[in-house]
Amino acid sequence: RKEVEQDPGPFNVPEGATVAFNCTYSNSASQSFFWYRQDCRKEPKLLMSVYSSGNEDGRFTAQLNRASQYISLLIRDSKLSDSATYLCVVNGPNDYKLSFGAGTTVTVRA
Amino acid sequence: GAVVSQHPSWVICKSGTSVKIECRSLDFQATTMFWYRQFPKQSLMLMATSNEGSKATYEQGVEKDKFLINHASLTLSTLTVTSAHPEDSSFYICSARGYRESPLSGANVLTFGAGSRLTVL
Repeated sequence: RKEVEQDPGPFNVPEGATVAFNCTYSNSASQSFFWYRQDCRKEPKLLMSVYSSGNEDGRFTAQLNRASQYISLLIRDSKLSDSATYLCVVNGPNDYKLSFGAGTTVTVRA
Repeated sequence: GAVVSQHPSWVICKSGTSVKIECRSLDFQATTMFWYRQFPKQSLMLMATSNEGSKATYEQGVEKDKFLINHASLTLSTLTVTSAHPEDSSFYICSARGYRESPLSGANVLTFGAGSRLTVL
C-alpha cells in the first residue's frame, strides 16, 4: 500500500464551482500534513498546512480526519488560476521525511 | 522568504556522460537537503537526504554510486548523475530545511528549488 494516495482526477470544473478531494495516508503516526500546489513542469509550492482543527485560507479549506486517516482540500469559487496539480504531503514520526501523493489534477474552465 | 536556487534548469546530454546539478540556499543555511525525482504524472520520490558535512542517506532502490550527493557547505548541495542513461531522464528537484538566526518558521516546511529537467539521449 502506498504511503499517500490521492485520486488523480482530473477534476474538470467551471469557474465559480466548488471542488473537493481527499488524500489518504497509511501511517497512523503521521504528524504533519500539507497541501502543495504544482504547476506543469514547475516545483511544488506550499499551499497550506493542515491542522487538526482544520483551517481555512481564503477560498481554500483543509481538513484532517485522523480516525479515517485522510485529509481533504476544498476550493470554493474556483478561478482559472486554480488549475494545477495538488499534492498531498505527509510526514511521519521521522521529523524530516515527507511522503508525497501523486497529485490530484484540477482544471478550471471558463 | 527562503530561496533555493537550482541549476541547470534544463540539461540534455549524451548517454554515458555525467551531469551535475547544484542547489544553493541563498538566504539561509540549509542544514538538510533533500533530493527528489519526479517522472511524468507521478509523485515526487525521495532519492536521498543529506546533512551538511555528512554522507547522504539514500532511499531503498537508489544507487548511491550512480547518484553522487555532496553537501559540503551549509549553502550548497550537488547531485551528480554518473554515466547517465536514457532511463535517468527525469525531473530532479532539491529542497532544503535550515536556519537563518533561528529555525525557519514551520520546521517541516520545505523550500524547493525550481527543478532540473534532465534528458539523456
